Formats: sequence, C-alpha cells, structure tokens
Amino acid sequence: DTAVSQTPKYLVTQMGNDKSIKCEQNLGHDTMYWYKQDSKKFLKIMFSYNNKELIINETVPNRFSPKSPDKAHLNLHINSLELGDSAVYFCASSPDGLAGVRHIQYFGAGTRLSVL
Amino acid sequence: GQSLEQPSEVTAVEGAIVQINCTYQTSGFYGLSWYQQHDGGAPTFLSYNGLDGLEETGRFSSFLSRSDSYGYLLLQELQMKDSASYFCAVKATNAGKSTFGDGTTLTVKP
Repeated sequence: DTAVSQTPKYLVTQMGNDKSIKCEQNLGHDTMYWYKQDSKKFLKIMFSYNNKELIINETVPNRFSPKSPDKAHLNLHINSLELGDSAVYFCASSPDGLAGVRHIQYFGAGTRLSVL
Repeated sequence: GQSLEQPSEVTAVEGAIVQINCTYQTSGFYGLSWYQQHDGGAPTFLSYNGLDGLEETGRFSSFLSRSDSYGYLLLQELQMKDSASYFCAVKATNAGKSTFGDGTTLTVKP
C-alpha cells in the first residue's frame, strides 16, 4: 500500500487550461503539504494543511487553490495554467503539526506537469 | 524566516567517504533533517537531529551543532546507488513546516 499517493503521475496540458492534482495519505497524519520542485530541483513549499485547516500559504498565485475535504486528502487545483507552472508537484504528509517533535515528511511520487 | 546553505555538487568515488555540509539561519531552531532524492523520484527521509551530536543509521550519519548553526550528512562506503540529490531541511519552533536547502547533487564514480 502506497503511503502517500498522488494522481496523475504525468500531466501535459495547454496554457490557459485548468487542472487538478489529487493526493491521499493512509498514514493517519494530521498535516499535509504541497511542494513545487522546479527544473533546478529547488523544493519550495506552497501550502500546508493541518486537520483540513490551511496553516501555511507561501506567496503562491491565487490561480492555485488547495482543498482538503478531510485530513487524508489534499487536492490542488490550478486555473489558467502558465508556462512557468511547469514543474514537479509533490504532496507530502507528516505526523506532527505545529508542536511536532521529529518533523519527518513522507512524500508522494510527484506529478510532472508540463504546460505547452 | 529561514535560510540554508549547502554545496551544489559533490563528487566522490565508490567506497569513499563524503561529507555534505549545511549551514542555516533561523529564528527558533527546532531540528535539522536530511532527505535523499534520486533522479525522477521523491524525496525520502534519511535522518533527523534535534540535539547536538551524531546520529548514525547504517552507512549514513548526521551531525548537528546548534551553537554553530551547522550540520552535516556523512556517507560512508559510498555505492553507485548513493548518487542522488541530498537536501537539508530546518524546522523552526512553532513553524508548521520545514524549509529545504537547494540540494547537493552527489555523483559517485567507479
């Protein structure tokens, strides 16, 4: 069983389209994240949710809208896709929120988004 | 905010020992983690230091000096499969996230 699974694995789309990426974790963790990794492999946090509540929103264009229907799921919807959105998007979860001890994150396999 | 500095590339030969350094600046330091990422793969957790000293896990060890805002990842008996990117990540107190360094690409040569 995959601990953190995200779909789709690959996403190729045209500029201006709207797309969604889904993430689910079966680890029972309270906190989930979205990261963007660009072509230089820089890993930047976008959003963090703790028990369905948004706790971190890191200067991300409002074309990106996360949604957490329950603490096991965190989806990412992107409107009006731009060329610069091409990247790998990783979902992650961790067992601790603000007061956690060992802040270990478990990552999904990534979604490779290509905007043409 | 937090900032981290680690070398962008390191090259070593099979069987050797390599050390990847990480210096950080943060207010309210909580802990330093290390992650490994192979090309095309996801970051995977390697090690965590919350207190000063050395943590050993098999061929990998991680060290932390809180007073120097410095840590390192030590990889021993290098194998070809250790070729990957290695990220240090710092967690600040009461920050619900870790900030990742820009990553070090390790190339292991025969």
